[in-house]
Amino acid sequence: EVQLVESGGVVVHPGGSLRLSCAASGFTFDDYAMYWVRQAPGKGLEWVSLINWDGNSTYYAESVKGRFTISRDNSKNSLYLQMNSLRTEDTAFYYCAKADCSSTSCYLDYWGQGTLVTVSS
Amino acid sequence: DIVMTQSPDSLAVSLGERATINCKSSQSVLYNSNNKNYLAWYQQKPGQPPKLLISWASTRKSGVPDRFSGSGSGTDFTLTISSLQAEDVAVYYCQQYYFTPYTFGQGTKLEVK
Repeated sequence: EVQLVESGGVVVHPGGSLRLSCAASGFTFDDYAMYWVRQAPGKGLEWVSLINWDGNSTYYAESVKGRFTISRDNSKNSLYLQMNSLRTEDTAFYYCAKADCSSTSCYLDYWGQGTLVTVSS
Repeated sequence: DIVMTQSPDSLAVSLGERATINCKSSQSVLYNSNNKNYLAWYQQKPGQPPKLLISWASTRKSGVPDRFSGSGSGTDFTLTISSLQAEDVAVYYCQQYYFTPYTFGQGTKLEVK
């Protein structure tokens, strides 16, 4: 059974930093690309970032480019999102999701439960 | 960026009746070389993460009830629930995965009338 468990969501001040983690199990982690998708409370879904199977290709939404960094450790079956220069508009549930292929142009076939990041003074 | 626009924003349907949700992309998500539409549908129930229903515009994920179907090509797509069940109350999202950023529609809230 595929499981994705996010952690690291907390309350942080504007301008602060945070690192989210996602522990994956139930599939061969290094065969698949991985995504982060966020959802502000009561709002819709926003694609944030994508990393391919080996971590050598990454993509970002314009809203986070230059501030967020996606990475993965295939030896630990883990995905990460380093979030710097946080803004109030980054407040959201952050979902880790598994892609159905190893690189780009994949749909998301499994999602974690999400972790809440709150940016507030 | 490709803009995904869903209609309607909300929908109330009686149990057992058909529900139809539309999704329009600002540019085609059909890749002519493989004749595939890079369009997925997700269901999000209250308090839960999204779940994949349909990929490639019309391929149901294993385990998804066959009352859910997807259709369309190019820029216009439809999710149809043939006979609404109480457990189908949710917000439904379309997403294009043709070009980054892989944009979502704004969501359609489906309720029971």
